Amino acid sequence: QKEVEQNSGPLSVPEGAIASLNCTYSDRGSQSFFWYRQYSGKSPELIMFIYSNGDKEDGRFTAQLNKASQYVSLLIRDSQPSDSATYLCAVRGLGSNQFYFGTGTSLTVIP
Amino acid sequence: DTGVSQNPRHKITKRGQNVTFRCDPISEHNRLYWYRQTLGQGPEFLTYFQNEAQLEKSRLLSDRFSAERPKGSFSTLEIQRTEQGDSAMYLCASSSDLSGNTIYFGEGSWLTVV
Repeated sequence: QKEVEQNSGPLSVPEGAIASLNCTYSDRGSQSFFWYRQYSGKSPELIMFIYSNGDKEDGRFTAQLNKASQYVSLLIRDSQPSDSATYLCAVRGLGSNQFYFGTGTSLTVIP
Repeated sequence: DTGVSQNPRHKITKRGQNVTFRCDPISEHNRLYWYRQTLGQGPEFLTYFQNEAQLEKSRLLSDRFSAERPKGSFSTLEIQRTEQGDSAMYLCASSSDLSGNTIYFGEGSWLTVV
């Protein structure tokens, strides 16, 4: 059973702070890891993906992957009220066409 | 707009009726996925097509659900004899061999069964 776990939150941070979102996964064979943002009533939109251990930065967003600990995180620097959304972690296994999603973490950035 | 397109965006139907959703993937994307999402949950995988071939189906896809992609372009998801538990957002996503590790979602089709 492939599982992706996220803290459902809600997580609240003040504007300008760093928001830290975490995700763990159960399948050690997982190869690709994704973060999606979902506004209420909308569909998920891709923020970034990461394949290799370490950090990957894209603007205000940094994804961190630790395969040994089966842990993925997303850091949002200089958080803005427009970042308020649910953040979904997704994992794709080796040779699999299925993307497994966590239940999402709700983030609120307080002006 | 060259993104994934889904129709209808909203559908209200009576229990027992059949409904069909259509998905037009990003042009030239050969991979197409259907997901279902209920409130407070992440998207759940339903089925996957590569070109016109349906290669994977979830256990969630009961015999009341059928999906097709006849010409390897658009896809339809039909739900027969709808039940209240079918109420959800049905998401279509697509990817290509080049972006195979990244899927892009459409805006979703909301189904309410009353």
